[in-house]
Amino acid sequence: DVQLLESGGGLVQPGGSLRVSCAASGFSLSNYAMTWVRQAPGKGLEWVSAMSGNAGGTYYADSVKGRFTMSRDNSKNTLYLQMNSLRAEDTAVYYCAKGPSPFITAAGSDWGQGTLVTVSS
Amino acid sequence: QSVLTQPPSVSAAPGQKVTISCSGSSSNIGNNYVCWYQQLPGTAPKLLIYDNNKRPSGIPDRFSGSTSGTSATLGITGLQTGDEADYYCGTWDSSLSAVVFGGGTKLTVL
Repeated sequence: DVQLLESGGGLVQPGGSLRVSCAASGFSLSNYAMTWVRQAPGKGLEWVSAMSGNAGGTYYADSVKGRFTMSRDNSKNTLYLQMNSLRAEDTAVYYCAKGPSPFITAAGSDWGQGTLVTVSS
Repeated sequence: QSVLTQPPSVSAAPGQKVTISCSGSSSNIGNNYVCWYQQLPGTAPKLLIYDNNKRPSGIPDRFSGSTSGTSATLGITGLQTGDEADYYCGTWDSSLSAVVFGGGTKLTVL
């Protein structure tokens, strides 16, 4: 069975950094496109970043470009989102999602339970 | 302001049919596949429709998707109280090189 388990969320001050992780099981990360999506409290879904499978490209939303970096460790089958220069508006539940193929689409066939990131002083 | 436009809310009675619209442009819906998600309160989104009209395994055929030009529609028949949720459309935007979502539609089953 496919499982995605996010971790690393927490409280961080504005301007600070945090790295959230997504441990995958039941499939090989390198073979599928992976996506980070966030949801601010009471708000809708916002796409953050996506990485195609098989060493393909990585894309970012304008709102996080230059501040967030998505990466993966194939040996650990784990996805990461390094978040720097955090702002109050980055406060959200962060979900990782697995795509149905190596190519980036909006379709996430499997999602983690999410990890809450709160940016506040 | 979302790139894709959805109505904030829709409602219908149990057993009835409802449709949820998603309006975009030629750079997104007009030339890329659309998907739809259902999000129950406090849970992660669940994929209902992908590639415009395909259902993942386990999704009942009460849920259907269609596209026409730069718009997409999610249809739900035989409404049940358990269908009360937020629904989101999503697709790739070729001009933005980004995944885009609609603002979400809250379905109330009266």
